[in-house]
Amino acid sequence: AQSVTQLDSHVSVSEGTPVLLRCNYSSSYSPSLFWYVQHPNKGLQLLLKYISAATLVKGINGFEAEFKKSETSFHLTKPSAHMSDAAEYFCVVSVPTSGTYKYIFGTGTRLKVLA
Amino acid sequence: EPEVTQTPSHQVTQMGQEVILRCVPISNHLYFYWYRQILGQKVEFLVSFYNNEISEKSEIFDDQFSVERPDGSNFTLKIRSTKLEDSAMYFCASSSVLVAGGSYNEQFFGPGTRLTVL
Repeated sequence: AQSVTQLDSHVSVSEGTPVLLRCNYSSSYSPSLFWYVQHPNKGLQLLLKYISAATLVKGINGFEAEFKKSETSFHLTKPSAHMSDAAEYFCVVSVPTSGTYKYIFGTGTRLKVLA
Repeated sequence: EPEVTQTPSHQVTQMGQEVILRCVPISNHLYFYWYRQILGQKVEFLVSFYNNEISEKSEIFDDQFSVERPDGSNFTLKIRSTKLEDSAMYFCASSSVLVAGGSYNEQFFGPGTRLTVL
């Protein structure tokens, strides 16, 4: 069965330092993977998506993720954290279902950015 | 930019009451979904809907739940008799036709409705 595992429930970084949020996936075929961000009391915003081809995916707000098949990972990174990056981040795999796809969410990583 | 909207943003109800959560998907989208996020937990798939019928539903989506597309624009989730454990954020999502040759469809999420059952 397809699934994603977010290895850290909480991550704290200082403003201006790099961000690394880890995600491992399990899939019997080439997966489609996404990262979503949820700011407090807000909805889900797509950061980036991996479909196929290019393994390094660039998203909004300076975030990137690298798809590594050999490690079954799709970690999210950002070179320099901003205070506004403090939020909950979800790694998502798209799973085929009857005629469409459904999303399977990871448990989330709460990012705290320290001044 | 087109977006998915949901009303109300917050709904408070008494246990045993019926609630209807409303969503307006993006206008040219054909696939519709509901997801749920209990406070502090991950987002969970509830149901997908296409061509006026349920495509798939999770084990959470029991007989107390129903979905409907009553007109050309709205997509609703009804909980017939709410329980305390139904308290959660409910997200609606929609997507367009599947990407040709692709293995995904990008889903666009609404801002959510926070349901509180007392």
